[in-house]
Amino acid sequence: SYELTQPPSVSVSPGQTARITCSADALPKQYAYWYQQKPGQAPVMVIYKDSERSSGIPERFSGSSSGTTVTLTISGVQAEDEADYYCQSADSSGTYVVFGGGTKLTVL
Amino acid sequence: QVQLVQSGGEVKKPGASVNLSCKAFGYSFTNYGISWVRQAPGQGLEWMGWVSTYSGNTKYAQNIQGRVTMATDTSTTTASMELRSLRSDDTAVYYCARHVTYGDSRYFDLWGRGTLVTVSS
Repeated sequence: SYELTQPPSVSVSPGQTARITCSADALPKQYAYWYQQKPGQAPVMVIYKDSERSSGIPERFSGSSSGTTVTLTISGVQAEDEADYYCQSADSSGTYVVFGGGTKLTVL
Repeated sequence: QVQLVQSGGEVKKPGASVNLSCKAFGYSFTNYGISWVRQAPGQGLEWMGWVSTYSGNTKYAQNIQGRVTMATDTSTTTASMELRSLRSDDTAVYYCARHVTYGDSRYFDLWGRGTLVTVSS
C-alpha cells in the first residue's frame, strides 16, 4: 500500500525555524497537503497544493516540494504552533487518499 | 455558517454496528464529497473512504472495505457511515470532512468536530 513517511517528532526553540518533511514515490505526480492538529481538536488544513497557504493561516507557514519530498516550514516558531502535523496526498491514480504518520512539533 | 455537525458519541459491543451522521451547513452540499477519517487513541489519521454527494458513488480504503457503507441524503444535506462487525481496534474518533477533488488530487478543507466510538465488552 502507498505510504507517506514523516519524522515522528521535531523540536525547536521559539523563534527558530521548524522543517517537517514528508516523502513518497508518487509526490512528484500528486499534490501534498498539510494539516495541523492540536490536542482534542479536529485537523485544520494549513497548506494545500504543496505550497499554497490556507485562508487565515499565518505567513510563517510555508510549503515546498522537491522530487519525492515535500516540506512544511514554520519560520519564527511560536508556542501556539506546538501540535501534530500530518501530510496527506493520494496514490498516483488519485483513487486512494493517504496520510503520513504525523509529526509532533514540540516548542522547547 | 459553513460547518459539518456530527452525531454524538457511541458505545458499542464487539460485533455490533454503528451508524454515524454528519450534517452540512452553509454551502452547496452536492458541490463537494464527504470523506470519513478516523483516529485511534494516540494514533494518526486514517482515511476510511469517500462518498460523492452528487452521484452517491463511493470509494473505500482497502483495509475496511466489506465492513463499511457510506451514503448521503441530499434532502437533509447529511452524510452517514455505517461500520459493521465492530472490534476493539475500531475504537477511535471518527471525523467527517468536506472532500475536494482537484484533478487527481483530493483534500479536505472543512472538518467536523469528530465522534468518539468506543467498542468494549
